[in-house]
Amino acid sequence: GAVVSQHPSWVICKSGTSVKIECRSLDFQATTMFWYRQFPKQSLMLMATSNEGSKATYEQGVEKDKFLINHASLTLSTLTVTSAHPEDSSFYICSARDQTSGIYQNIQYFGAGTRLSVL
Amino acid sequence: GNSVTQMEGPVTLSEEAFLTINCTYTATGYPSLFWYVQYPGEGLQLLLKATKADDKGSNKGFEATYRKETTSFHLEKGSVQVSDSAVYFCALSRSSGSARQLTFGSGTQLTVLP
Repeated sequence: GAVVSQHPSWVICKSGTSVKIECRSLDFQATTMFWYRQFPKQSLMLMATSNEGSKATYEQGVEKDKFLINHASLTLSTLTVTSAHPEDSSFYICSARDQTSGIYQNIQYFGAGTRLSVL
Repeated sequence: GNSVTQMEGPVTLSEEAFLTINCTYTATGYPSLFWYVQYPGEGLQLLLKATKADDKGSNKGFEATYRKETTSFHLEKGSVQVSDSAVYFCALSRSSGSARQLTFGSGTQLTVLP
């Protein structure tokens, strides 16, 4: 099946620094990628939809200036957590939609996630 | 709006027991339905899907049938194994709009004991 690589898998940073997380579709092209946040023992919360070559669409309540998303190519989207604080500590997961899957398929393939710990 | 309601966990079963995890949904139009599985420390993996009413998705011994009349997509497996221990998420995708975003249920933790 399709593979989505997410890097790094775990990052620890100091409060006030910025952290960049990469999401790559390895064997398919993805015009649309999604970024989620998952709190312990809870479901995934969609943060934003990343569109190749255009601005990301953020969900209500998600700070655009805090979580910068860049989708510069059909296989790469990045999420930068700017000026991170302890409350930003969480598990961040990306997914990429296989654009060949058709209207009713919507097959999304997920990365393994990035655990961010802000000290 | 769209929403997914899942059976609350955690669920603990003995090996070879029968598994049912209930999932119901609320959606406009005709959504596609999915079950994803998340093993410890990993991202989500698609387990099975169904795109229209009465479709049955199946994979690795798991099954779920898209029931439009009861707006349900319950996950079942006849004989669970220890390796099935994971968190299971029911999800739907909107049938309109170009983004095809997924809406997830809250997840159900399954533990299978030997």
